[in-house]
Amino acid sequence: GESVGLHLPTLSVQEGDNSIINCAYSNSASDYFIWYKQESGKGPQFIIDIRSNMDKRQGQRVTVLLNKTVKHLSLQIAATQPGDSAVYFCAENRGTGTASKLTFGTGTRLQVTL
Amino acid sequence: GAGVSQSPSNKVTEKGKDVELRCDPISGHTALYWYRQSLGQGLEFLIYFQGNSAPDKSGLPSDRFSAERTGGSVSTLTIQRTQQEDSAVYLCASSILAGETQYFGPGTRLLVL
Repeated sequence: GESVGLHLPTLSVQEGDNSIINCAYSNSASDYFIWYKQESGKGPQFIIDIRSNMDKRQGQRVTVLLNKTVKHLSLQIAATQPGDSAVYFCAENRGTGTASKLTFGTGTRLQVTL
Repeated sequence: GAGVSQSPSNKVTEKGKDVELRCDPISGHTALYWYRQSLGQGLEFLIYFQGNSAPDKSGLPSDRFSAERTGGSVSTLTIQRTQQEDSAVYLCASSILAGETQYFGPGTRLLVL
């Protein structure tokens, strides 16, 4: 069935390196995507979003890339820091208008090593 | 301004008891969502409210689960006759409109003994 998924359940990165977290989606009609960060014991925190009319969007140390051709979404974190250690979720918007809602992937755990 | 708040932060109950979980969304947000997150798992959609429209209950796992949203603001998720498999973190989120960015509360950690 249609789903939002992640390629890697756990990603280990050395402090200072760049991190890339990937997400695949299967619904070509999805038009809005969001990345969330969830630290242990806390609710998910919004990081960055992108709409389907864009290929790339940058924030502070984070970049989201959207490849609609292969239905792939990625989150890049520059100069990864220990505070970046968390589980990262991608979410896609399905449906339109009041029927629209986000569907979340299963998450990728990012571990930052010193 | 204040974010989404939830109460209680932790709840321990005995199997068979009813529990009520509360969510206060961000002021002005018309859409409110409930999710369940089991340990080490992703977010499982339960229910969402959008304005005065009928709620989307498609994610509720059984008829023991219900939710209300009074006055378009505060929401209560009720679990009747709790079972051990109901143990999870229950997260609430709100957004300005359905499908827009959702902002999450800290969650209620429910443990059913």
